[in-house]
Amino acid sequence: SQELEQSPQSLIVQEGKNLTINCTSSKTLYGLYWYKQKYGEGLIFLMMLQKGGEEKSHEKITAKLDEKKQQSSLHITASQPSHAGIYLCGADDYGQNFVFGPGTRLSVLP
Amino acid sequence: KAGVTQTPRYLIKTRGQQVTLSCSPISGHRSVSWYQQTPGQGLQFLFEYFSETQRNKGNFPGRFSGRQFSNSRSEMNVSTLELGDSALYLCASSKTGGNNQPQHFGDGTRLSIL
Repeated sequence: SQELEQSPQSLIVQEGKNLTINCTSSKTLYGLYWYKQKYGEGLIFLMMLQKGGEEKSHEKITAKLDEKKQQSSLHITASQPSHAGIYLCGADDYGQNFVFGPGTRLSVLP
Repeated sequence: KAGVTQTPRYLIKTRGQQVTLSCSPISGHRSVSWYQQTPGQGLQFLFEYFSETQRNKGNFPGRFSGRQFSNSRSEMNVSTLELGDSALYLCASSKTGGNNQPQHFGDGTRLSIL
């Protein structure tokens, strides 16, 4: 089955700084999703990437899927305290089910 | 448009009891998936229902079961509760559950087993 790894495991940045979170798959990705979770709450859908080389942006968050479709990155520009939370990547496991990475915990210091 | 609604938000049970959790998907969504989230194991897929049929199942014991009604609402049941079942249970819905569709999550039910 497909496995997703994320790095770093946790991240503490000063407000205003840029940061990048990575997601690596053990198999070719046919759909990669980024979610954000605040502690004890549900997941908020951020973006979906399907094609190799695809890049999407929403406000200050940009997600990319590499050409080989095995790695994705999530970049936050000029981070704010509202960006704090746990970021998870998820992928369709070849139609069997849906798998998630372990998550990256982001803290933004004011 | 209302989001995914899960009830109850919090639940406390003791070992050996059983519990039923409820999920109402976004209107028009026919696929409902359930996940268990724990600090040690992360987010793990339990099962997916579509048109009242279980379509996919994760690697959980038979104590975990679910069903879906004709209005797409879903319930999951856990019998003979164990301490390790303490977790946040999340429900997610999508239009048809196929590939390349984002799932939309509820706020979850936090289950604590004493």
